[in-house]
Amino acid sequence: NAGVTQTPKFQVLKTGQSMTLQCAQDMNHNSMYWYRQDPGMGLRLIYYSASEGTTDKGEVPNGYNVSRLNKREFSLRLESAAPSQTSVYFCASSEGAGTEKLFFGSGTQLSVL
Amino acid sequence: EDQVTQSPEALRLQEGESSSLNCSYTVSGLRGLFWYRQDPGKGPEFLFTLYSAGEEKEKERLKATLTKKESFLHITAPKPEDSATYLCAVQAWAAGNKLTFGGGTRVLVKP
Repeated sequence: NAGVTQTPKFQVLKTGQSMTLQCAQDMNHNSMYWYRQDPGMGLRLIYYSASEGTTDKGEVPNGYNVSRLNKREFSLRLESAAPSQTSVYFCASSEGAGTEKLFFGSGTQLSVL
Repeated sequence: EDQVTQSPEALRLQEGESSSLNCSYTVSGLRGLFWYRQDPGKGPEFLFTLYSAGEEKEKERLKATLTKKESFLHITAPKPEDSATYLCAVQAWAAGNKLTFGGGTRVLVKP
């Protein structure tokens, strides 16, 4: 059982380049999330999708866009990468039924030069 | 605004030396408080959910407790494999699906 799968695991971009981080879950979960993790800052929510067909901004949405492609897949796009977006990105999912036990992917380490 | 503060930032223990991690929170109506464990290079892994003051949960050498202002994660007789970063998060009734995380406590247990 794969759980939450993120690709790629590592990525280096130049300032201004664009890229899409992919995330898929095989647990039939309704809700999916994108977080970023920076030293000393904890995990901060970028965007989330409470259910298929809906997306909402989290705490730090600027510079990002998301697509909930179907129930399984939730992608995060950086249209014009900036050095401030250097971080570790985690995708997570949950049943979405109430109090949220999250299942996380293994992360994408992104460096923007 | 919901806030979560974890202390200490880092903790070095000898194997068998019990200790406690603190998670202080301010939230407008607590729906749930969560503890996660994160190993280097991996995503966080769920440990516990606590819902109301006075509640306790245990798993192997870990025990989580909750008051109206803080939660403690007690590590009893830790082993080197307990070395990890422990994250605390809160969910407010007004926040829907969203969690607010603390900065974590890095625990190193030496043999």
